[in-house]
Amino acid sequence: KQEVTQIPAALSVPEGENLVLNCSFTDSAIYNLQWFRQDPGKGLTSLLLIQSSQREQTSGRLNASLDKSSGRSTLYIAASQPGDSATYLCAVGDNSGYALNFGKGTSLLVTP
Amino acid sequence: DGGITQSPKYLFRKEGQNVTLSCEQNLNHDAMYWYRQDPGQGLRLIYYSQIVNDFQKGDIAEGYSVSREKKESFPLTVTSAQKNPTAFYLCASRGPGPTNQPQHFGDGTRLSIL
Repeated sequence: KQEVTQIPAALSVPEGENLVLNCSFTDSAIYNLQWFRQDPGKGLTSLLLIQSSQREQTSGRLNASLDKSSGRSTLYIAASQPGDSATYLCAVGDNSGYALNFGKGTSLLVTP
Repeated sequence: DGGITQSPKYLFRKEGQNVTLSCEQNLNHDAMYWYRQDPGQGLRLIYYSQIVNDFQKGDIAEGYSVSREKKESFPLTVTSAQKNPTAFYLCASRGPGPTNQPQHFGDGTRLSIL
């Protein structure tokens, strides 16, 4: 069964820093990989989706990369802001294209 | 606005009681999903449905049941057989066509035991 690990579990940075969140997965036969943001007590907001054939996706200050062969993805956040404080979840889509396997998330705090 | 609506936001269950969580979407999405989230754990898949009148068990289906009679609706029943139901329940849907569409989530229902 696919296992998804996110490191670090928690991260605190001062405003303005560039930061990298890591996601690793055990089975490289994936369909896609999706990064989500979750605010406390709320549902998930989709940030970026990378197809298995792609290497990276960008949206504003966010950039996600995918290296299937090594089982890794990174989410890069440029010029962090206090509003970026949230839990970031990585989810790997299996080859059926339907099920997502989630990591436990990285809790990010950006301090003013 | 198009989106996914989950209700109620908070729900309390007594011992031996079945409770039903509502999930409605107006996104015209074919696929719908139910996940459970516990503190410090990732989301775990309970059930999913790719099309009306069809659904599949996920990793932790025991003690839960679903129906998919309408495209817009995918209710989840937490039965008395689920001995540890306290959790945050999230419903999601995915767009039509190729499966390389992102999943979209509702705001969740928090279920507690009385």
